[in-house]
Amino acid sequence: TQLLEQSPQFLSIQEGENLTVYCNSSSVFSSLQWYRQEPGEGPVLLVTVVTGGEVKKLKRLTFQFGDARKDSSLHITAAQPGDTGLYLCAGVRNAGNMLTFGGGTRLMVKP
Amino acid sequence: GAGVSQSPRYKVAKRGQDVALRCDPISGHVSLFWYQQALGQGPEFLTYFQNEAQLDKSGLPSDRFFAERPEGSVSTLKIQRTQQEDSAVYLCASSTGPRLYGYTFGSGTRLTVV
Repeated sequence: TQLLEQSPQFLSIQEGENLTVYCNSSSVFSSLQWYRQEPGEGPVLLVTVVTGGEVKKLKRLTFQFGDARKDSSLHITAAQPGDTGLYLCAGVRNAGNMLTFGGGTRLMVKP
Repeated sequence: GAGVSQSPRYKVAKRGQDVALRCDPISGHVSLFWYQQALGQGPEFLTYFQNEAQLDKSGLPSDRFFAERPEGSVSTLKIQRTQQEDSAVYLCASSTGPRLYGYTFGSGTRLTVV
């Protein structure tokens, strides 16, 4: 059982549709981050949230940190083929420095 | 450099061979991390350095895995007597402050043990 559970694991949608990816845990995190990874490359940081209930927007992407700092969601509005990739959530626990990653959500957006 | 550089990008090793994977972090980044990523999965923590000190090696899967960062910059992950289950992508990341600033990852080394 992973510390961070992502759902769904796979998502295939048409261009223009909306989607939400979830990242859940029973543990509290001092920081929750979302990364996107493309084939053959390392993950790239999209956003960091640190306050319970925090909402951040990055163009068509909206990120929310749960009030209890145990879960997070990523919502994409009007998805485009360029959004295709592996989305990873990752958390830092308490005063640590090490990131724990979820299993990832593989998104495919078809034109 | 501008980013985290890893070499080689691809490595094919015969079972039983020793391999060494190199990571050149962003200049000035104190923290350096190694992760292992299986196909289609999220990265799994291996080990963590702060400057030259290895502060956490709890993720290293066996005593065949060894990492070092002798001068607090370049790091090497060494795998002795490779096994087929070691086949994976090995990712290196550096950071100035993971909690607030996250990691900058390299492109990884894809290791295939045959």
